Formats: sequence, C-alpha cells, structure tokens
Amino acid sequence: DAGVIQSPRHEVTEMGQEVTLRCKPISGHDYLFWYRQTMMRGLELLIYFNNNVPIDDSGMPEDRFSAKMPNASFSTLKIQPSEPRDSAVYFCASRHQGFPGNTIYFGEGSWLTVV
Amino acid sequence: AQSVSQHNHHVILSEAASLELGCNYSYGGTVNLFWYVQYPGQHLQLLLKYFSGDPLVKGIKGFEAEFIKSKFSFNLRKPSVQWSDTAEYFCAVNYYNAGNNRKLIWGLGTSLGVNP
Repeated sequence: DAGVIQSPRHEVTEMGQEVTLRCKPISGHDYLFWYRQTMMRGLELLIYFNNNVPIDDSGMPEDRFSAKMPNASFSTLKIQPSEPRDSAVYFCASRHQGFPGNTIYFGEGSWLTVV
Repeated sequence: AQSVSQHNHHVILSEAASLELGCNYSYGGTVNLFWYVQYPGQHLQLLLKYFSGDPLVKGIKGFEAEFIKSKFSFNLRKPSVQWSDTAEYFCAVNYYNAGNNRKLIWGLGTSLGVNP
C-alpha cells in the first residue's frame, strides 16, 4: 500500500514568496496532521483534521500559515508570505480512527528552505 | 499543559553497548505510548507502542520499552546497539483531554550516535 505522500520533497524559495505543500493521506484514514520539525523546537503539531474538518489549529504559528483539506485524499499547507524562520521540515501524517488506529503514519517530509 | 520529557538530548555509544532512553509524561489518566525513530534523512517510523496489557512492549529491531505507570515513564531499551541505530528517537503520548478530544504530544527527541 502507498504510504502518506508529500510534495514537494525539497523546496528552496525566496523570502516573501508563497509556498504550498501538498499531502495525500493513506486511503481510508480519517485523521490528517501537519507537523513542523526544526532543530530548535523539535517536532511541533501545526494543525489536524478529522474527516476533512480542522479540529485543532492552535499550533499554527501565525496568520501567514493556512491549511485546507478539500477532500479525504488531499490537504495543503500554505505559507504566504514565507520568511527565513519558516525553514524546516514539514511532515504530513495520517491515522485511522479504529483500532489499532492510534498509530500515526508519516510522509517523508517536505524540506523547506526560505532564503 | 501536559508534557513529555526526554531526558537525554544527545547520546553517543559504542557498538554493542546497552541503550536506555528515558521518557516521562505528565498526564495522570489513561494513555497510549509510542516510540518513533527517524533515521538520517528519513521520515518518522513507528518503533513500538503500548496500548494496554503487558507493560513490557517489544518492537522492531530488538527494541523494547517498559511502561511504569507509577513513574509515568516509558523508557526505551536495547541490549546491544548497532551503528545502524544512529537516529533520532521520539517519545509520544496519546490521551483524551477534558473536552474529550484526542491529544498527541511529543518529546523533543533524543539524538543517538553509535560509533562503529
């Protein structure tokens, strides 16, 4: 089975540009998570969705960040405008509610560098 | 706020040495516990998990972890590490908060380096 698929794998962009990260969760999973990983702060939960509905976005750092999940098989995380401090690895993850549904499966990450 | 503490931020061992990585959490109710591993340049993968039953959990690659409820701990162990175990290790705790929402909180990770 295909795992969580993220794109792009790597992106280098200039400060001020819009960045869009994409995620396709595992088919049948009803929870989707966006995480950010940096050396300084470790792994941070940004937002998560249940059945395409945002449940908790308290981890979104500021208004420049937005996330959408228009359907069960696709989600985007957008940063506009991007800043150098947004440079990080962004992970998308998904999980199924049912037992043993507590296991979260991660994508390979999108490595973002803002210069 | 609930928290997960991983006491060792960086650990360096020689091959064949024994490993124990500490993980403590603060939530007093029912929890599910996880250890994830991230090899250099790769994504996070599940190493092992505890839901209920035997508090000694065995995972992949010879890892195990013991849930000690009285100590709020879930330490990761391996009797003899290999160079290929060089990675970041993350402890995570899943619980339901007062609003009956499922929460998953993470430790900051432990960076393990194994010298050949």
